[in-house]
Amino acid sequence: GAVVSQHPSRVICKSGTSVKIECRSLDFQATTMFWYRQFPKKSLMLMATSNEGSKATYEQGVEKDKFLINHASLTLSTLTVTSAHPEDSSFYICSARITGVGYGYTFGSGTRLTVV
Amino acid sequence: GESVGLHLPTLSVQEGDNSIINCAYSNSASDYFIWYKQESGKGPQFIIDIRSNMDKRQGQRVTVLLNKTVKHLSLQIAATQPGDSAVYFCAENTGSNYKLTFGKGTLLTVNP
Repeated sequence: GAVVSQHPSRVICKSGTSVKIECRSLDFQATTMFWYRQFPKKSLMLMATSNEGSKATYEQGVEKDKFLINHASLTLSTLTVTSAHPEDSSFYICSARITGVGYGYTFGSGTRLTVV
Repeated sequence: GESVGLHLPTLSVQEGDNSIINCAYSNSASDYFIWYKQESGKGPQFIIDIRSNMDKRQGQRVTVLLNKTVKHLSLQIAATQPGDSAVYFCAENTGSNYKLTFGKGTLLTVNP
């Protein structure tokens, strides 16, 4: 149980275009979703926290207008990388907080974004 | 800077040996700790967690030890197998906003 499905797993886009990454909670309601960015051989860095029905809270140094997060329903959160540049190439991972019994978080499988 | 760090960036062990991965944290207010395993190109996978009111917790082949006095966390893997090869991260939560802070990670390589 408590599975988060993340799509796409890989995407290549041209500089200047926008890319949308989706995370869906399949068998539970995700009131809180976290978005991370991970560079090669590095740790996960939290970008923002989204709560269903409200604006996302961004970490210091993360551009809100560049990384648009929408959490319009309890089962879907999206991250849109706008006007992508090669330096945005990274591994993006979502995570949902699980309430109730069991461990507290479940992670998506990640999206490898390459901007050319 | 990061509040959670690791002593060893890489660890190489022989199949069947026990592995110990260490983590130091700096936030004394953290009350929940999690170990994750991440294979290449995948998202983190939960291994085991521990709350600050405990100092030891055991799972299947894994044990987490928490020493709050020196703010140290460790993951012990018994009878390490090639399938255990991955990067292991510790993560901490202070409880106030559910955000997790991840450590730098340790690459575990199990040699057959």
